[in-house]
Amino acid sequence: AQSVTQLGSHVSVSEGALVLLRCNYSSSVPPYLFWYVQYPNQGLQLLLKYTSAATLVKGINGFEAEFKKSETSFHLTKPSAHMSDAAEYFCAVTRAGNQFYFGTGTSLTVIP
Amino acid sequence: DAGVTQSPTHLIKTRGQQVTLRCSPKSGHDTVSWYQQALGQGPQFIFQYYEEEERQRGNFPDRFSGHQFPNYSSELNVNALLLGDSALYLCASSLAPRNTEAFFGQGTRLTVV
Repeated sequence: AQSVTQLGSHVSVSEGALVLLRCNYSSSVPPYLFWYVQYPNQGLQLLLKYTSAATLVKGINGFEAEFKKSETSFHLTKPSAHMSDAAEYFCAVTRAGNQFYFGTGTSLTVIP
Repeated sequence: DAGVTQSPTHLIKTRGQQVTLRCSPKSGHDTVSWYQQALGQGPQFIFQYYEEEERQRGNFPDRFSGHQFPNYSSELNVNALLLGDSALYLCASSLAPRNTEAFFGQGTRLTVV
C-alpha cells in the first residue's frame, strides 16, 4: 500500500523567509515522489519529481526536495518565499504504471 | 504543444441527472487518468484508461464510468448524480508503461444542486 502524509494543512511564512513543507510517504517498494502546486480554480502543476536518481531534486520556481529513505520523507523547501508562492501544495506517491496517491495538501500563505 | 485540455470548465447539474466530462491528453501521451478533488481535499483516483480499456480503478461506484477513444482522448460519465459528486474533476495524461509523470488539465468544476 502507498500513501503520503502532509504535516500541517496551513503554513504561513514571511516574504523572503524559508519555506518548508513536510511530506512523509509509505510505500512497500521504492517509490516515485512528486510535489504539485495548485493555484485557485486551476489544475495541478508539477514542481518536481523523484524517480530514484539523485536524492536532492531541483524543481521550478526555486523549489527543491530531498528524498530521505531512512526518514521516509520528501520535504519541499525554498530558501526565500515570494508572494507568488501562495498556493496549495500537494505531495504524491506512485509506483511505475500505477495511480497517484495524494496527500491532503498544505496551503501556503506568504505574509508581506 | 497543447497540454491536457478539459471541457467544460464549469458545469451545474441537478441531482439524478447524468454528466459527461471530456479530456484531451498532452500530445504524445497515451494514458488518461481521472481524479476527483473534493473541496479542501487532495485528488482521489477514479480510474485509468490505456488502449481504450479501463486498466485500474479506485474506490468509486459503478455510477462512474469512462471511455477512451482511438485518438487517446477520454470521457468520464457520472450517472444518477448525488450532491456529494460536487467536486473538481481532474484529468491527467501520461505515457505508458511507466506513467511516472502525470500532466494535469485545469479541471472541470461540477456542482450538483
